[in-house]
Parts: sequence; C-alpha cells; structure tokens
Amino acid sequence: NAGVTQTPKFQVLKTGQSMTLQCAQDMNHNSMYWYRQDPGMGLRLIYYSASEGTTDKGEVPNGYNVSRLNKREFSLRLESAAPSQTSVYFCASTENLNSPLHFGNGTRLTVT
Amino acid sequence: GENVEQHPSTLSVQEGDSAVIKCTYSDSASNYFPWYKQELGKRPQLIIDIRSNVGEKKDQRIAVTLNKTAKHFSLHITETQPEDSAVYFCAARNSGNTPLVFGKGTRLSVIA
Repeated sequence: NAGVTQTPKFQVLKTGQSMTLQCAQDMNHNSMYWYRQDPGMGLRLIYYSASEGTTDKGEVPNGYNVSRLNKREFSLRLESAAPSQTSVYFCASTENLNSPLHFGNGTRLTVT
Repeated sequence: GENVEQHPSTLSVQEGDSAVIKCTYSDSASNYFPWYKQELGKRPQLIIDIRSNVGEKKDQRIAVTLNKTAKHFSLHITETQPEDSAVYFCAARNSGNTPLVFGKGTRLSVIA
C-alpha cells in the first residue's frame, strides 16, 4: 500500500517548456488535489477533483491544467512554464471532502 | 470563501517547555479543523484534528482547542522535544462541497 505516489521527484524546466506531473493513489479515495508550497505562503490549492469526472479551480489555477484520468490518477500540466511556477508541488487525496488529507512526497520544480 | 490566519510565523522554545500556535478562521460554517506537521524536506502529515461538536481534543502531548464563538482554534504541545521541530499548518473547512483552506504555517524550533 504505497498511499499517494508522485512522479517525478525533481524537475528542471526552461521557461516556455511544458510538462505533466503525475499522481496516483491506491487508497480508493474519491477526492484528489494539487497544492503548491512556497516559502512563507503555506499550501495553496491549485485544482481539485471532488470525484472522478469532476475538476474545480482552487486558489491559484492560472497557468495550470488538470486531468482526472480515472479514480486513481490526477495529473497536473504546465503548458508553458514560467519562473513564477518554481515551487514544490504536492498531490493529496481524501476519501471524501470531509476526510483527512493524505499527501504524496512532493515534486520540486525549478523553472529557469 | 474561507480565510485562515495563523500566528506566530516562527516560534522558538526551550526543550521541555510548552508551545502554542493559534489560528483564526472567517467562515462561521466551518466545522473541521485539522493540524498538519511537516518536517524538513518531507510531506505534511496529519497530527490531530477536531470537529465543531467538541471543544478540546488530546493525544498524548498534543491538544487542540476550539472556540467557535470567537472563530479560533489552537494547537498546544507540552513537554516539547527536539523532534517536535517542524512547520505546523492549521486548516479549516466548512460542511459544503469545498476543500481545506490552510494557514501559512508556523516554524517551531525546539532548542535542546
């Protein structure tokens, strides 16, 4: 039982490049989330998926897109990376919106 | 929407002393208040949570108190140890179809 698995762990991009961050959970959770963490800013929600087939914007969605591929997988795409997107990205899942969050180990992204 | 303020942003205590971190929230409909601990380079992990039908909850050296009238909740750590050094995040969520909103975090340093 791996919990929430994120790939890659580290990534360096040049401005304008695109990439997809992958996230998968094996806990049969209904809801999945993408957060970014920046120093002094806490955890800010980018997008979330309350259930398979739905996605909603969070606090900071600009510059990102998401896909809830199936119940297990929720990917985050940067179409044209910018230095402002340098951050640590965490995927998380919950059984439902009223349950505790389970986080993945994070992806450290640097955009130069 | 919900807004969560967390204080202080940094806190240093001597080993064995108590530490208190306070959070306020804006949405009177919020009813779930978890606390997460994040060690350096690791993912956030749930340490304790409280729901609005109780005023206090304890788990060994950790306790959380909730004052719904004043819309604030606090984390109390007694007999602090060096391994308590971490960043702590509070969060709040209402009963609607919305995800958790996090505070900006408190960096706790326990000095041996």
